[in-house]
Amino acid sequence: EVQLVESGGGLVQPGRSLRLSCAASGFTFDDYAMHWVRQAPGKGLEWVSGISWNSGSIGYADSVKGRFTISRDNAKNSLYLQMNSLRAEDTALYYCAKGVGATISLPDYWGQGTLVTVSS
Amino acid sequence: QSVLTQPPSASGTPGQRVTISCSGSSSNIGSNTVNWYQQLPGTAPKLLIYSNNQRPSGVPDRFSGSKSGTSASLAISGLQSEDEADYYCAAWDDSLSLVFGGGTKLTVL
Repeated sequence: EVQLVESGGGLVQPGRSLRLSCAASGFTFDDYAMHWVRQAPGKGLEWVSGISWNSGSIGYADSVKGRFTISRDNAKNSLYLQMNSLRAEDTALYYCAKGVGATISLPDYWGQGTLVTVSS
Repeated sequence: QSVLTQPPSASGTPGQRVTISCSGSSSNIGSNTVNWYQQLPGTAPKLLIYSNNQRPSGVPDRFSGSKSGTSASLAISGLQSEDEADYYCAAWDDSLSLVFGGGTKLTVL
């Protein structure tokens, strides 16, 4: 059974940093691309970033480009999102999601999310 | 403003058939496949339809998807109360980004 468990969310002041983690199990992690997708309170889904199986291809939404960095450690079956210069509009539930293939592709399985609140 | 356009709401009575549309452009739906996700209240999204019209195992055949040109549709037949949820379409965009629709809230009357 595919399991994705996010962690690292919390309350952070504007301008500060936070690092999210996603622990994956139930599938061969290094065979698949991974994504971060967020959902602001009461709003829709917004893609944040995606990374291919070997980190050779990475993409970011314009809203986070230059501030967020996605990475993965295939030896630890883990996905990360380093978030710098956080803004109030980054407040959201952040989901880790598995791609359907090795290259950056649409997600199939999703974690339960970790909440990030940016506020002073 | 979402790149893919969905109606904000839809409704139907039990047993009815409802359709949710998703409109995009040549750079996303027009040249890539579409997925649909169901998000029940308070839960994570779940894959409902992939590759325009394929159902993952476990998804009832009451759910079906189609695509034509730069638009896609999700149809739900034999509507049930447990289908009340938010539904999102998604596609890869040639600008190297994943784009979602704004979501459609389905109410079962």
